Formats: sequence, C-alpha cells, structure tokens
Amino acid sequence: QKEVEQDPGPLSVPEGAIVSLNCTYSNSAFQYFMWYRQYSRKGPELLMYTYSSGNKEDGRFTAQVDKSSKYISLFIRDSQPSDSATYLCAMSASYGGSQGNLIFGKGTKLSVKP
Amino acid sequence: DSGVTQTPKHLITATGQRVTLRCSPRSGDLSVYWYQQSLDQGLQFLIQYYNGEERAKGNILERFSAQQFPDLHSELNLSSLELGDSALYFCASSVEGTGIAGLGEQYFGPGTRLTVT
Repeated sequence: QKEVEQDPGPLSVPEGAIVSLNCTYSNSAFQYFMWYRQYSRKGPELLMYTYSSGNKEDGRFTAQVDKSSKYISLFIRDSQPSDSATYLCAMSASYGGSQGNLIFGKGTKLSVKP
Repeated sequence: DSGVTQTPKHLITATGQRVTLRCSPRSGDLSVYWYQQSLDQGLQFLIQYYNGEERAKGNILERFSAQQFPDLHSELNLSSLELGDSALYFCASSVEGTGIAGLGEQYFGPGTRLTVT
C-alpha cells in the first residue's frame, strides 16, 4: 500500500462548478498536509497548508483534514478555467529528518471548461 | 515566480553519461530539496541539504549525488545514466531545515527536464 493515494483523474468540470479533490494516506504520523498546484511544464506551487485535523479556507479554496479517516480534501468553489492544472497533495510528519520531508500523491489533473 | 532558479531547463544526453543540474534557492532559504518527477512514480523526494550539510535522504540512487555550496546553491549529479532516469528534476527551498514552521513551505523551481536517449 502506497503511503499516499490520489486519484489521477482526469477530472473535467464546467466553469463555476464546485470541485472536490481527495487523498488518502496510511501513515498516522503525518501531521502537516499541503496542496500544491502544478501547471503544465511548471514547478509545483503551494496552495494550502494545514496542521492536524480541521478546515482551512483561503478565498475559493477550502482544505479539510480528517485524521481519524486518514483522508484530506481540497474544495474549489466557483471553479475557473485558470484553475485547470494538476493538484498534488503532500504531507509530512511532525519531526525532522527523513520523516520531515514531503510525501506527495501522484496528482489529479483538473480541467475546467468555459 | 517562486524565486528558485534551476539550470538548465532541458538536457538531452545518452545512456552512460554524467550530468549536473544546478539550483539556486530563494534568497535567505537555507534548505534545498531535490525531487524527481516521472509519470509513473509521481514526485519523489531524493535528498535534502541544510546550510551545506546533508539533512535527509529519500529514494536517491547510488549513481546520484548532490552537494550544497557555501553560497547555498546546490548541484545534483547524475551518473551512468539509464533510460529510466528520464524525468523532471525539481529543486525546492525553504527557510528552515527542521521544525514545525518550515516543513510545509517548500518553494519549487521550474525544473530541469532530463531526457536520456
């Protein structure tokens, strides 16, 4: 079983739709959860960063963490064509060394159609 | 623009060769991370340096090595290249090497696309 599982998609939605992106994980030591957006031929860009369980909202983006279920989500409201990208979840444990580095999901490719 | 620079953007080389990828972190960042991204494996952590010292190792092959110089730029050396080494190689940087504050905020460069023929 991989440490982080993420549905690769592709996911295609109409403009204005609510998008839900998800990852599951197996390592209960993970405490920090991140979402990165990666446009084609670009490096990943940090979108959201949450610690432990709970919700965090930033504009049209909401990140949710459910540690009891080992499940994290990213919601995008009022999706725009400019949101078309690959979304990567990433997570790390609470201490340094090799456990402190990021473990990424494989990414979900999202396409928002005008 | 993340502030992290990587050169070259593209590299095409033959099997058995050796290449060097270069990364300059954001101003003030002490940690540099190297990642490999391929279609089948996704983004894989290779190695981390903090202020010139190796801090953590991930799935880095013995044919690969890295270093961080006193000016904090880093180089990733890939030798005895194989077809399977073709991938995007990303460098990321962050302020902290360990600790809560810096773990999430890694800023990625644009990547070097390596093609081994």
